[in-house]
Amino acid sequence: EDKVVQSPLSLVVHEGDTVTLNCSYEVTNFRSLLWYKQEKKAPTFLFMLTSSGIEKKSGRLSSILDKKELFSILNITATQTGDSAIYLCAVDRTSGTYKYIFGTGTRLKVLA
Amino acid sequence: NAGVTQTPKFQVLKTGQSMTLQCAQDMNHNSMYWYRQDPGMGLRLIYYSASEGTTDKGEVPNGYNVSRLNKREFSLRLESAAPSQTSVYFCASTGGNQPQHFGDGTRLSIL
Repeated sequence: EDKVVQSPLSLVVHEGDTVTLNCSYEVTNFRSLLWYKQEKKAPTFLFMLTSSGIEKKSGRLSSILDKKELFSILNITATQTGDSAIYLCAVDRTSGTYKYIFGTGTRLKVLA
Repeated sequence: NAGVTQTPKFQVLKTGQSMTLQCAQDMNHNSMYWYRQDPGMGLRLIYYSASEGTTDKGEVPNGYNVSRLNKREFSLRLESAAPSQTSVYFCASTGGNQPQHFGDGTRLSIL
């Protein structure tokens, strides 16, 4: 059965800390791995990763994929209170229907 | 610049009542999806529509029906609501090899 596992489930840090969120997966016909940030409402897209070893960056956030070991990490440096959110990892497969399998998410709380 | 619009935002139902959650997208996307999100469970797919005129079951379809009314609109119906269907419901869409875009969700409570 295809699955996506995120760790840790929750995390509390102080402003300025660096955090690493993990996502491992076991799926057939892997196409891409996606990271979303969810605050109070809709999940918003952060990164889509398709190739191993190529880091994607957006400001203080970065992510990388390892297709051999079947995992991805999301790094956030110099955390701010506005980074407090649930971070969701999802995997898409080459099924033609673009259905994602989501992990349960990591709840990050950044304290001032 | 609306993206994906869901209505209503909040709803309280009594057990056994029926209701329809509405979703519309203005991005000309072919594929649309309905998810539910429960604490500790992540997003679980209820139904999806890969293209106009087609619908298929997802991971947790029992107790729900859907209609792809046209390319823009995809509705989710609860025929006889049960307390286990208390959840936050999200609609999403994609044009293919792009990330799914999500609506702001409908918070549904069933008493």
